[in-house]
Amino acid sequence: SQKIEQNSEALNIQEGKTATLTCNYTNYSPAYLQWYRQDPGRGPVFLLLIRENEKEKRKERLKVTFDTTLKQSLFHITASQPADSATYLCAPYNFGNEKLTFGTGTRLTIIP
Amino acid sequence: NAGVTQTPKFQVLKTGQSMTLQCAQDMNHEYMSWYRQDPGMGLRLIHYSVGAGITDQGEVPNGYNVSRSTTEDFPLRLLSAAPSQTSVYFCASSYSIAGGASTGELFFGEGSRLTVL
Repeated sequence: SQKIEQNSEALNIQEGKTATLTCNYTNYSPAYLQWYRQDPGRGPVFLLLIRENEKEKRKERLKVTFDTTLKQSLFHITASQPADSATYLCAPYNFGNEKLTFGTGTRLTIIP
Repeated sequence: NAGVTQTPKFQVLKTGQSMTLQCAQDMNHEYMSWYRQDPGMGLRLIHYSVGAGITDQGEVPNGYNVSRSTTEDFPLRLLSAAPSQTSVYFCASSYSIAGGASTGELFFGEGSRLTVL
């Protein structure tokens, strides 16, 4: 069965450093991968989509990579700030797949 | 636009009671879905709908019913609540979940926290 793993439940990073979160998937080959941010007590909010032929995508201080050989996506936040503290969720999927499945998320804390 | 609106935000039920979680969106999205979120389990898909009159099961559908009579509304019904249904429930909608030209991004509501005693 399809499985999505995010590297760790919690990650603490010093302010100003780059935070790197990992999303690994097994038993399928998604053509797309989404990343979401979730703050405590709130619903997830979409951040980025990367397609299998894009390899890398950037949005302000965010960078996402997608390695279909390794079956892995990396999510980077550069020059991290305490306001970046949240849980980040990944969701790999395929065109026409109507069941979007999420990883369990990584809780990121940026330490001032 | 209000986006995705869920009601109620909090609810306490006794085992065996029934209730309906309401979800409405004003973005004219065809796709709507319900997830539950539990510690350590992440978001798990309960039911989804690709348009009015069409619903299908997700990963954990047992104990839940849905219907989609209009594009805007997608209520989730618990017919006989059990303590195992204590969770935070999220409704989400999307213009297109299938990717392609659009991002397929989901817009989530703020959640409904349900406790079953």
